[in-house]
Amino acid sequence: SQQGEEDPQALSIQEGENATMNCSYKTSINNLQWYRQNSGRGLVHLILIRSNEREKHSGRLRVTLDTSKKSSSLLITASRAADTASYFCATNTGNQFYFGTGTSLTVIP
Amino acid sequence: EAGVVQSPRYKIIEKKQPVAFWCNPISGHNTLYWYLQNLGQGPELLIRYENEEAVDDSQLPKDRFSAERLKGVDSTLKIQPAELGDSAVYLCASSLVGTSTDTQYFGPGTRLTVL
Repeated sequence: SQQGEEDPQALSIQEGENATMNCSYKTSINNLQWYRQNSGRGLVHLILIRSNEREKHSGRLRVTLDTSKKSSSLLITASRAADTASYFCATNTGNQFYFGTGTSLTVIP
Repeated sequence: EAGVVQSPRYKIIEKKQPVAFWCNPISGHNTLYWYLQNLGQGPELLIRYENEEAVDDSQLPKDRFSAERLKGVDSTLKIQPAELGDSAVYLCASSLVGTSTDTQYFGPGTRLTVL
């Protein structure tokens, strides 16, 4: 069974807008990672946030983590058409990895 | 640096036939993962190797699936016999566990269609 649940399942925005997607999980984690998957491709690692961190930035990406609520969010600022992809959160419990169900993001040029 | 290599990229077989997938991880990565991904879903772990040892195979359907990682490098995942419900993308990933991050690097996957 998958631990992570992402919300929304699908998101469509105009180029230049910000995109926010959320991930909720069930058990304690060591870290949480976000991955991107373009259609027909493997997953690409975007960013990792450890359980003792609350916020992390990488370029146009901003990730937050609230361990009390067991949730994380990924913000993509100033979106581009090339950001069109599926985004997955992955929780690392130390022993196991669980991927969420994913958010399908479409950025309209 | 070369990424994770998987072959074949696509495979079409009839049900009850055997099939095998091959994965070559990134050089030096001690951990290798096999995932199954159904359409519109996230990857689900089938088996995780640390070096040659399968440390987590709890989600591997052992009646028809088997895997091996010879010499702690390449790995093969086999299904025998295949069923219609096995149609999915099979992803291989590798990582260097023991560092400050457990970033997994994924191959492009093998898309299996069982007719």
